[in-house]
Amino acid sequence: DVKVTQSSRYLVKRTGEKVFLECVQDMDHENMFWYRQDPGLGLRLIYFSYDVKMKEKGDIPEGYSVSREKKERFSLILESASTNQTSMYLCASSEFRRRGYTFGSGTRLTVV
Amino acid sequence: GESVGLHLPTLSVQEGDNSIINCAYSNSASDYFIWYKQESGKGPQFIIDIRSNMDKRQGQRVTVLLNKTVKHLSLQIAATQPGDSAVYFCAESVGTYKYIFGTGTRLKVLA
Repeated sequence: DVKVTQSSRYLVKRTGEKVFLECVQDMDHENMFWYRQDPGLGLRLIYFSYDVKMKEKGDIPEGYSVSREKKERFSLILESASTNQTSMYLCASSEFRRRGYTFGSGTRLTVV
Repeated sequence: GESVGLHLPTLSVQEGDNSIINCAYSNSASDYFIWYKQESGKGPQFIIDIRSNMDKRQGQRVTVLLNKTVKHLSLQIAATQPGDSAVYFCAESVGTYKYIFGTGTRLKVLA
């Protein structure tokens, strides 16, 4: 089975901290994605990457950056965490455009 | 603007009954749709997909129906089981690599 692993299930960070969320997939997928999931808003795309060192902004990139130095790893960075970034963060990967995503289990981030 | 929505935020069904979860989409050019299941504490899991050149697709105990005329998508679960309790949401392809996701319907299975 394809596995997408997010390094932390729960994180609590302080306002202003720099936060790293890590995601690793083991199926050699080209595409990787970061979403946040908030009640009543569904999943919103933050950033995605379709190749190593390539990145594209999603719908809500403000306050975030990403890094993809290796094909299997896609990191989401909150440069200076704020309380409105408290959310569930989901990483996903895909190989073909129409095959849908494989999601990780999510990281629930609380910024206090 | 584009949107993918669900008619019912919570659906309660008796164990053994059939469940129907609905989704409306607004982009008539969308040509691919997916249903996901998300259990508590887990990431979304792919259930079934359908292309716009199809009206119906069946999987194991699940069927997806697509009505392009009214831009409506539904997920039918036959003989609903306790393990089907989860949040279900649809996703609409809006371009290369990108989807619009619905907000989700919570399915509760009553014993």
